[in-house]
Amino acid sequence: AQSVTQPDIHITVSEGASLELRCNYSYGATPYLFWYVQSPGQGLQLLLKYFSGDTLVQGIKGFEAEFKRSQSSFNLRKPSVHWSDAAEYFCAVGHMEYGNKLVFGAGTILRVKS
Amino acid sequence: EPEVTQTPSHQVTQMGQEVILRCVPISNHLYFYWYRQILGQKVEFLVSFYNNEISEKSEIFDDQFSVERPDGSNFTLKIRSTKLEDSAMYFCAGQGRIEAFFGQGTRLTVV
Repeated sequence: AQSVTQPDIHITVSEGASLELRCNYSYGATPYLFWYVQSPGQGLQLLLKYFSGDTLVQGIKGFEAEFKRSQSSFNLRKPSVHWSDAAEYFCAVGHMEYGNKLVFGAGTILRVKS
Repeated sequence: EPEVTQTPSHQVTQMGQEVILRCVPISNHLYFYWYRQILGQKVEFLVSFYNNEISEKSEIFDDQFSVERPDGSNFTLKIRSTKLEDSAMYFCAGQGRIEAFFGQGTRLTVV
């Protein structure tokens, strides 16, 4: 069965510090990988995606993520966090072989302290 | 930039009542989905819709749920007789080839 693990439920970082949010997946094939962000009461905004090719992908708002096949991981990073980055972050996986539906992780709540 | 639009943003309904959640996907999308997020929990897949029929549904999507795309534009989720445990945020998503775009969600509160 497909599954996504985000081991950190909450993370607190200082403004200006670097950030890494972890994501591991279990999937039958190399899936498509996504990170979404959700601000309180809001919808899901796509930050970045990986389909194939370069394993380091750039997204919006200065985020990047690196796909590591050997570790089944797709960790999200940002070199310098801004207070506006406080939100909940979801890693998701999908593949056309599995009907395109997305399987989400439980999410990581990011708090930014000034 | 085109976006997926959901209405209403918030709906309160009494237990046992029928509700219809509406979504207008981006026009060139081929696949349509409904997902649910119970407060404090992960986003869960409910149903996918392709070529005017359900292509996959989860075990959550029982006989109380139905989906329609009656006019080639709106994509609706109907819950026939709501239960307290149906209270959640419901997200519609549309997808072209690979990536899914989500609406802002409808917060359904069943009282």
